[in-house]
Amino acid sequence: DTEVTQTPKHLVMGMTNKKSLKCEQHMGHRAMYWYKQKAKKPPELMFVYSYEKLSINESVPSRFSPECPNSSLLNLHLHALQPEDSALYLCASSQGVQKQGWDGYTFGSGTRLTVV
Amino acid sequence: GDSVTQMEGPVTLSEEAFLTINCTYTATGYPSLFWYVQYPGEGLQLLLKATKADDKGSNKGFEATYRKETTSFHLEKGSVQVSDSAVYFCALSDRSGGSNYKLTFGKGTLLTVNP
Repeated sequence: DTEVTQTPKHLVMGMTNKKSLKCEQHMGHRAMYWYKQKAKKPPELMFVYSYEKLSINESVPSRFSPECPNSSLLNLHLHALQPEDSALYLCASSQGVQKQGWDGYTFGSGTRLTVV
Repeated sequence: GDSVTQMEGPVTLSEEAFLTINCTYTATGYPSLFWYVQYPGEGLQLLLKATKADDKGSNKGFEATYRKETTSFHLEKGSVQVSDSAVYFCALSDRSGGSNYKLTFGKGTLLTVNP
C-alpha cells in the first residue's frame, strides 16, 4: 500500500458545526502532516506529527485541533471555522529522519472544505 | 531561511513542444530537491527528486539536475502532451524539529498544453 487516504473528499460545514477530517496511511511512515492549500497557491504547513507526537504547530488557530491516535491515523478536528478557512486540506506522510536520500512526502488527494 | 523561486506562470505550450520550468533555491546545508505535480482537483504527486549535487532526477519523460553551483533545479521535458497540463511545484527539504523533514515549496507554475 503506497497511498495516503483522506476522507471525506468534500465537506460543507456551517460556522457553528464541528467536523473532523481523517487521514490514513499504511506505509509505515512515522511522520504525518497537515497542509492547507488555497486556490492557485502552494500548500502551507499547519502541523507535523512525529512518532505520534505533535512536533510542529505553525501558529494555527485553535479552531483547528489535530490528533494522531496511532501511527497510521491522523485527524483534524474543526470547530467554529470561518469562511476564509475554506480551502483544500492535504494530509501527507513521510519516513522519519534519514541519513540521506529522504524520499519526500506522499500526499493524499485532499479534502475540499467549504465553510458557509 | 530556506526559499524556492520558480518561474511564474501560466505557461502555455502546444503538444510536442519543449518544456523548461526554472527553479532556483536558497538554503543552508545540503537540501534535497523535488518536483511535485498537481493535476486539477487532486493532491500533489512526487514527480522526481534529487538528493545531492549533480544528481539527475527523471520520471515520465521529465528531468531535472541538481546544480549546486547555480543553486538550480530546472524541470525539462522534450515533448509535452495534453495530459501534462497541471501545476508544477519545486520544493526543497529542510530538516527541522529534530526528527522531521519539512518541505518548502515554490509558488507553483501552471502549465497548459494545447492539442
